[in-house]
Amino acid sequence: GAVVSQHPSWVICKSGTSVKIECRSLDFQATTMFWYRQFPKQSLMLMATSNEGSKATYEQGVEKDKFLINHASLTLSTLTVTSAHPEDSSFYICSARPIRTTTKSETQYFGPGTRLLVL
Amino acid sequence: AQKITQTQPGMFVQEKEAVTLDCTYDTSDPSYGLFWYKQPSSGEMIFLIYQGSYDQQNATEGRYSLNFQKARKSANLVISASQLGDSAMYFCAMREAGANNLFFGTGTRLTVIP
Repeated sequence: GAVVSQHPSWVICKSGTSVKIECRSLDFQATTMFWYRQFPKQSLMLMATSNEGSKATYEQGVEKDKFLINHASLTLSTLTVTSAHPEDSSFYICSARPIRTTTKSETQYFGPGTRLLVL
Repeated sequence: AQKITQTQPGMFVQEKEAVTLDCTYDTSDPSYGLFWYKQPSSGEMIFLIYQGSYDQQNATEGRYSLNFQKARKSANLVISASQLGDSAMYFCAMREAGANNLFFGTGTRLTVIP
């Protein structure tokens, strides 16, 4: 149980295009999902917290107009990188925390990540 | 100040031996949770073990155990009987009560030697 999927797993795009990444919790519901960014050989950096039915909360320094987040349902959150540039190339990984119904709700479960390369 | 500190950038362990990965944390919140995740080269973050600040006993999950020393604010991960498949990056993380997000350490790269 507690599976999170991400799609696509990798994407290559031209500079200036927009890329949408989907994050789905497959066997549980999550009112809160998280989007992280990870550079090579570094730790995860929280970009934003996605709340179902409301606006996302962005971390300091993260451009909300560039990284659009939509949390349309209790099982789906999307991250859209708008007008992508080479410096946006990174590993993007989402996570979801189950609704507080079981002891496992303390845990965040991560998707497999999306590798984005902007040319 | 860093909330999570992992002082070992890299560790080596012989196959079938036990290894301890260090993690110290900093918080003034009396209620918090501590997590360990494994990240193999494929990139996915695999949840290993969780310890709540009020848990009386150290958490264990199969070959993983958490050596929780609250007074010292340390939450070291112990992997017993290391296997080649244990080679990966290991991240310690903490979530404070009332917060949703996790604070991650910088990670430790574990290499298991045959």
